[in-house]
Amino acid sequence: EVQLVESGGGLVQPGGSLRLFCAASGFTFSNYWMSWVRQAPGKGLEWVANIKEDGSEKYYVDSVKGRFTISRDNAKNSLYLQINSLRAEDTAVYYCAREGVPSAIGFYNYYYIDVWGKGTTVTVSS
Amino acid sequence: EIVLTQSPATLSLSPGERATLSCRASQSISRYVAWYQQKPGQAPRLLIYDASNRATGIPARFSGSGSGTDFTLTISSLEPEDFAVYFCQQRSNWAFGQGTRLEIK
Repeated sequence: EVQLVESGGGLVQPGGSLRLFCAASGFTFSNYWMSWVRQAPGKGLEWVANIKEDGSEKYYVDSVKGRFTISRDNAKNSLYLQINSLRAEDTAVYYCAREGVPSAIGFYNYYYIDVWGKGTTVTVSS
Repeated sequence: EIVLTQSPATLSLSPGERATLSCRASQSISRYVAWYQQKPGQAPRLLIYDASNRATGIPARFSGSGSGTDFTLTISSLEPEDFAVYFCQQRSNWAFGQGTRLEIK
């Protein structure tokens, strides 16, 4: 069974740090781009960052650039998100997600998210 | 920056009715759009990608259309399990729309 399991969330003070983990199983992790997507309480989805299969390319939403770092360890089938300088607006459920469906249009090498974890909750509060 | 705007914010319909959800992009994004369904307390589920391709296991009552800046998700005949929140996502910068809540009338 294809599965993503997040951990590492918690309550942290503004300015603090956390490292989120995502354990992948049931598929060849090293063959897929992976993403982190977050959802603030009662709000919509916000894509946060993603990373290429071999870790050589990483992309971030503007609001987290310089504060968040995505990484992966293919030998451990694991995805990480280091989050620093936390702000109240970073409070959210953070989902680990697999970009597993390739676009069939053919012009760009895009993938769509097809597998999601259940999420881990980050709460930033004093 | 490409922004996606979904409408309506809330759609109230009855089971068996047809639902039409809209997603408009601030600039052309070809057909690089996906639709996701999210139920309370659950992770999203991929329904449609490349604007009109159904994902694996998605019932035929779900269909997508559009290109350029205007996209539509249609549910031909609502089942009780279809009442949820729906998000569109454009693939060029991964941004999501703000969502449409489909509720039972």
